[in-house]
Amino acid sequence: DVKVTQSSRYLVKRTGEKVFLECVQDMDHENMFWYRQDPGLGLRLIYFSYDVKMKEKGDIPEGYSVSREKKERFSLILESASTNQTSMYLCASTGTGNQPQHFGDGTRLSIL
Amino acid sequence: RKEVEQDPGPFNVPEGATVAFNCTYSNSASQSFFWYRQDCRKEPKLLMSVYSSGNEDGRFTAQLNRASQYISLLIRDSKLSDSATYLCVVNMTGGFKTIFGAGTRLFVKA
Repeated sequence: DVKVTQSSRYLVKRTGEKVFLECVQDMDHENMFWYRQDPGLGLRLIYFSYDVKMKEKGDIPEGYSVSREKKERFSLILESASTNQTSMYLCASTGTGNQPQHFGDGTRLSIL
Repeated sequence: RKEVEQDPGPFNVPEGATVAFNCTYSNSASQSFFWYRQDCRKEPKLLMSVYSSGNEDGRFTAQLNRASQYISLLIRDSKLSDSATYLCVVNMTGGFKTIFGAGTRLFVKA
């Protein structure tokens, strides 16, 4: 079974802090993704990566950056957290071709 | 027009009922199709892939009509535990672009 592990289930941070969300997958997948999910808005893609050190902007990259130094790890960084970044953050991974994405448990992030 | 559109729901059905979810997609370059299930405050989980010939997994049947750009999910003999949101998901070529539908909420009641 694919295992995607996110570093925290719940996280509370303050406005202006730099926040790191970590994601690790154990299936040697090439592609990794970061989404946020808000009520009524569905899943929205923030960034994705198709290889080590490669990254592509998704639909809502503003206020976020990512890092992929190792194949199994994809980090999401909130450079200066703001209250409108309070959300559920979901990491996913998939192999090459048209495989389904597998999600981590999610991180519920609250910015106060 | 949204790239992937689902029935808005919610669907409220009694235990034992058969329920069908519909999904349409707009991009004919779509390559692969999936149904996911998402429980409240949890992550989406793959329920099943959808193949052109149609496929079945126990009480669940998925159908794909490429000509009409339409996907369906049928749940027979609904259980209380089937209560969740069902997401229709479409992959474009290469899997780099995945479109998630907004989801249809299902409530199964005793």
